[in-house]
Amino acid sequence: DQQVKQNSPSLSVQEGRISILNCDYTNSMFDYFLWYKKYPAEGPTFLISISSIKDKNEDGRFTVFLNKSAKHLSLHIVPSQPGDSAVYFCAAYGTSYGKLTFGQGTILTVHP
Amino acid sequence: DVKVTQSSRYLVKRTGEKVFLECVQDMDHENMFWYRQDPGLGLRLIYFSYDVKMKEKGDIPEGYSVSREKKERFSLILESASTNQTSMYLCASSPQENYGYTFGSGTRLTVV
Repeated sequence: DQQVKQNSPSLSVQEGRISILNCDYTNSMFDYFLWYKKYPAEGPTFLISISSIKDKNEDGRFTVFLNKSAKHLSLHIVPSQPGDSAVYFCAAYGTSYGKLTFGQGTILTVHP
Repeated sequence: DVKVTQSSRYLVKRTGEKVFLECVQDMDHENMFWYRQDPGLGLRLIYFSYDVKMKEKGDIPEGYSVSREKKERFSLILESASTNQTSMYLCASSPQENYGYTFGSGTRLTVV
């Protein structure tokens, strides 16, 4: 049972434009949501997070939006750069569970 | 610079072999995790540990075991390697009751 889902396996965007990556979840008990970025042959690195009591968190070019009623979150990257090309994982954390649950990942390609 | 170190970047093992994957962290974290990453399936939790000599099954523990004799070291053991265990294995650690995971660089295991 996939509790965190990323339904788009890949996304291709032109440099300078907006990248929007989406994620859906089923468990309303999650307290935090995170995005990780992964380059080939490297481990995932933390990008940005949001608490379940907020609906938006911004960090430079990266903004995460949370819609609790729809159980949906999205990551916006503006402007997109070629160095942003990587696999992006959505993850959810429940304090009572004590562990992260990850989505399937979305491969982002930013073309120069 | 805090680190999670996985002993091997690439491993090739034969079917039926017993395989040990080692992970060491230098951050004095209580929690340690083993995930495997497969295309289209994302990161799936195999085993985790909240303390020395303590272990909990994740979502896909079959065919694996773990050992945590010291706080800084968490070992994943493939009792009898099979070809369907060919994957990227990722170790992570985090402080107690904290979603801030730090990942290692991963071990690409091929079972032939």
